[in-house]
Amino acid sequence: EDQVTQSPEALRLQEGESSSLNCSYTVSGLRGLFWYRQDPGKGPEFLFTLYSAGEEKEKERLKATLTKKESFLHITAPKPEDSATYLCAVNSNYQLIWGAGTKLIIKP
Amino acid sequence: DSGVTQTPKHLITATGQRVTLRCSPRSGDLSVYWYQQSLDQGLQFLIQYYNGEERAKGNILERFSAQQFPDLHSELNLSSLELGDSALYFCASSGEGTDYGYTFGSGTRLTVV
Repeated sequence: EDQVTQSPEALRLQEGESSSLNCSYTVSGLRGLFWYRQDPGKGPEFLFTLYSAGEEKEKERLKATLTKKESFLHITAPKPEDSATYLCAVNSNYQLIWGAGTKLIIKP
Repeated sequence: DSGVTQTPKHLITATGQRVTLRCSPRSGDLSVYWYQQSLDQGLQFLIQYYNGEERAKGNILERFSAQQFPDLHSELNLSSLELGDSALYFCASSGEGTDYGYTFGSGTRLTVV
């Protein structure tokens, strides 16, 4: 059964304290892994798509990486405005399978 | 503005009532997806339409139904509402396949009292 697991469920960091979020997956026929950011009460906002192991993408303080079994979202020197829930999803057989998300809180 | 428009933004209704949520997909997108998100919960996939036809069903209750019209806008109908149906309902759209992910609307917050 296709499955996506995100860890940790929640992460509290001090401003400037770098860390990583994990998304592990078991799917048949991966056709892309997606990272989204969701602010409270708002729709998820697309961040990155990764297609093959070894691929990396960056946007401001965020960098996403992909292996054959998992993806990491690295956040470098985060700021309070980076606080949000980060969602991972994989495209398997033309359906997105979603993880439960990691709630990231950055304290000033 | 993501290009996906959902109306209304907020809806308050009583138990037992019926409501309709509306979604206009991003220009050119043929697929529409409906998701439910209860407080502090993950996204629960309800149903997908592609160019007017139902393509996939998730955990959608029998009291809920949806359709996609020829102009590609979609409506989600929720009937015999219960308190537990209170949630954010998101619509998302995508182009051919899902290789480029989904674009989400800003959601409709439904409160059943």
